[in-house]
Amino acid sequence: EVQLVESGGGLVKPGGSLRLSCAASGFTFNSYSMNWVRQAPGKGLEWISSIDSSGMYIYYGDSMKGRFTISRDNAKNSLFLQMNSLRAEDTAMYYCARTRSYCTVGTCYSDWFDPWGQGTLVTVSS
Amino acid sequence: QSVLTQPPSVSGAPGQRVTISCTGSNSNFGAGYDVHWYQQLPGTAPKLLIYGNNNRPSGVPDRFSGSKSGSSASLAITGLQAEDEADYYCQSYDSSLNIYVFGTGTKVTVV
Repeated sequence: EVQLVESGGGLVKPGGSLRLSCAASGFTFNSYSMNWVRQAPGKGLEWISSIDSSGMYIYYGDSMKGRFTISRDNAKNSLFLQMNSLRAEDTAMYYCARTRSYCTVGTCYSDWFDPWGQGTLVTVSS
Repeated sequence: QSVLTQPPSVSGAPGQRVTISCTGSNSNFGAGYDVHWYQQLPGTAPKLLIYGNNNRPSGVPDRFSGSKSGSSASLAITGLQAEDEADYYCQSYDSSLNIYVFGTGTKVTVV
């Protein structure tokens, strides 16, 4: 069974740091790009960052650039998100998700996310 | 601010058909990027519902269907059931912002 399990969330003070982990199983982890997506309480989904299968190509949403760092360890089938200088507005459920794409004769579909982990809650508060 | 706009809520009686719109722009749907849909049941993680505009993953009932035309997309649920009460999100890629984007989300209520 394809599975993603996040960990590392918790309560942290403004300005603090936290490192999230995502353990992958049931698929060839080093063949897929991976993502972090977050959801503030009662709000919608926000894409945070992507990393390609090799770890060489990394992308961030504007509001996270410079504060968040995505990384992966293919030997340990794990994805990470280092979050620094945390703010109250970073309070959210953080999900990891696998990138999927598909090409058939004559067309390729743009990327989607499947599956998603169950999420880990980050609360930034004094 | 989300790049893809959805109605905040839609409702319908059991057995009815409801549709959820997702309005984009020339830098996402209009640029040829596909729409994907996710269902988020209360208290759970999002789950893929439709990929590549109108494709259902294995296990998703054929009551769910998707479409895309120009800069807009829609999700239809026919034969609405109580278990369909959830939040629904569209998703694509935006070539102007160079990021993956989600819709604002729509809460479906079965009345």
